[in-house]
Amino acid sequence: QLQLQESGPGLVKPSETLSLTCSVSGGSITSSHYYWGWMRQPPGKGLEWIGSIYYSGSTYYNPSLKSRVTISVDTSKNQFSLKVSSVTAADMAVYYCARHRGGNYHPVDYWGQGTLVTVSS
Amino acid sequence: DIVMTQSPDSLAVSLGERATINCKSSQSVLYSSNNNNYLAWYRQKPGQPPKLLIYWASTRESGVPDRFSGSGSGTDFTLTISSLQAEDVAVYYCQQYYSTPPSFGQGTKLEIK
Repeated sequence: QLQLQESGPGLVKPSETLSLTCSVSGGSITSSHYYWGWMRQPPGKGLEWIGSIYYSGSTYYNPSLKSRVTISVDTSKNQFSLKVSSVTAADMAVYYCARHRGGNYHPVDYWGQGTLVTVSS
Repeated sequence: DIVMTQSPDSLAVSLGERATINCKSSQSVLYSSNNNNYLAWYRQKPGQPPKLLIYWASTRESGVPDRFSGSGSGTDFTLTISSLQAEDVAVYYCQQYYSTPPSFGQGTKLEIK
């Protein structure tokens, strides 16, 4: 059974960089036809797609966040990562890592449990 | 960007009764070359990540009970739960994956009457 697990600091100061890693177990991140992505959900609000990556390193970003977001992949560790720079209170959310099936922003069939990132000094 | 609008925002239905949630996209998500609607539905229970229920507007994900069905085409879509169970209390989201960025509806909260 595929499992995804987010890890990283739960508290980030304003203007600093948020960094999260997603560890994938029970399957290979290099499997064809799957893309690996990040989404976020502010407390009590809806879902926002941040971006995705293929194991080859091709990346796809939400234009609204593109200037501040970097997604990378480490196939040797079966992990992929997210960095969001210059964070503000608006970046406070539960961050989910996810597997897109069939395309870089196609439906997500596996999700991590999510990790809450608070932005505060 | 494609804007997804769900209705109603909340819904209370008796156990065993039918629940219907609507989703409207600001532009068509029907890809004419393959006749597929790039529309998915998710269920999110409190404290959990979303769970994929339906994709291609009407294809049930493996393991999803057949009381869940999706319909619609172009810009108007519906998720129907034929006989509401207690475990269906959740927020439901539609999502378009026709164009980037993929976008979600605001969610519909489903409760037991």
